[in-house]
Amino acid sequence: DIVMTQSPDSLAVSLGERATINCKSSQSVFYNSHNKNYLAWYQQKPGQPPKLLIYWASTRESGVPDRFSGSGSGTDFTLTISSLQAEDVAVYYCQQYYTTPPITFGQGTRLEIK
Amino acid sequence: QVQLVESGGGVVQPGRSLRLSCAASGFTFSSYAIHWVRQAPGKGLEWVAVISNDGINTYYADSVKGRFTISRDNSQNTLYLQMNSLRAEDTAVYYCARGGHDYLYWFDPWGQGTLVTVSS
Repeated sequence: DIVMTQSPDSLAVSLGERATINCKSSQSVFYNSHNKNYLAWYQQKPGQPPKLLIYWASTRESGVPDRFSGSGSGTDFTLTISSLQAEDVAVYYCQQYYTTPPITFGQGTRLEIK
Repeated sequence: QVQLVESGGGVVQPGRSLRLSCAASGFTFSSYAIHWVRQAPGKGLEWVAVISNDGINTYYADSVKGRFTISRDNSQNTLYLQMNSLRAEDTAVYYCARGGHDYLYWFDPWGQGTLVTVSS
């Protein structure tokens, strides 16, 4: 199974500042034949289901604010929020869909306001 | 709009069974693989099972293999999860989530979830 490890586990950032969340996979999730990284990012607010933010490691889902961006390739990925807003307080998860089964998620990163 | 609505959760004793349902609307249900994902209280996301668009192929997490069965009725746009021999560690919010036309795809959207509590 591919193990996804996020860092840090929790993060406190001031409003308007940059937030960076890292995700590392235990093996590459880059599909050479498709030239794509099979990695997604989700946001989960309290009492709500997860919401898709990013897929193919860097493609923003329709309707997601452009302050959210994804980067990385192979085994190392980053979710960046360029200017933190109050509504961005949430838990963020990375997910690999390179192999099924099982699809695996990172343990989550809790983002709070400093 | 694209929507998934889970139902069937509740409190059940260890060793008993429960069946969850997930009603889909707003898209061509029979064209997509659908997943179950669960989240224990205060914990992260755990993928549980997936079923292919035609219902022929299914895959399970090791933690539920042999106890849970995923199925679908494309004529009713409904997904199911039959859960047998339930354990305390199965206590979680269970979400259904749409995949893609194959298994190697992200999940979007997710339902609101249904809570299953296994307790005596």
